[in-house]
Amino acid sequence: NAGVTQTPKFQVLKTGQSMTLQCAQDMNHNSMYWYRQDPGMGLRLIYYSASEGTTDKGEVPNGYNVSRLNKREFSLRLESAAPSQTSVYFCASEGTAFNYGYTFGSGTRLTVV
Amino acid sequence: KNQVEQSPQSLIILEGKNCTLQCNYTVSPFSNLRWYKQDTGRGPVSLTIMTFSENTKSNGRYTATLDADTKQSSLHITASQLSDSASYICVVRKAAGNKLTFGGGTRVLVKP
Repeated sequence: NAGVTQTPKFQVLKTGQSMTLQCAQDMNHNSMYWYRQDPGMGLRLIYYSASEGTTDKGEVPNGYNVSRLNKREFSLRLESAAPSQTSVYFCASEGTAFNYGYTFGSGTRLTVV
Repeated sequence: KNQVEQSPQSLIILEGKNCTLQCNYTVSPFSNLRWYKQDTGRGPVSLTIMTFSENTKSNGRYTATLDADTKQSSLHITASQLSDSASYICVVRKAAGNKLTFGGGTRVLVKP
């Protein structure tokens, strides 16, 4: 099915470990986003990529890096995980049509111990 | 500061009953407002989108309203079903740019 695919779905890391969250979309969308969702809070933008080859910081970029590998793939890397990064991470993509809106992946639940 | 506030934080309703969720925002300048449904363990899925000139939009048993003057929106669920149990998120888009502001969501539990 067309959509946004995130891997892994679950991950437990020890403080200081690194990992990369993968995201791929097959809808030929230009824009891709990484959000984190914490209990009782709205989704917060970490990084986004308006088009292939460009990335920009969002609201909460500290501790993260991203790579827009090609038009389909947008990865999020935690270089040295901290307990404060325990969260659910969502990748989203958006087409150019005004009323498409975001298509979200199913999320990655990350726990840092 | 651009904000989106939703109320209530959570509610429990009996199957078949109606309910209304509220969203107040301060985002300006305004572009559009979306309501998303998020099932447990899944990503949000768009229900409706409304622009400045629209004040009502329906999607099946979901009806959203928008009052751009008072910066308020509501989502009405008619004849609730067990599958309506989810979080409902109000998202406001700022004009000129990719800036979205998400509300904290309302968690709805429909009981038989």
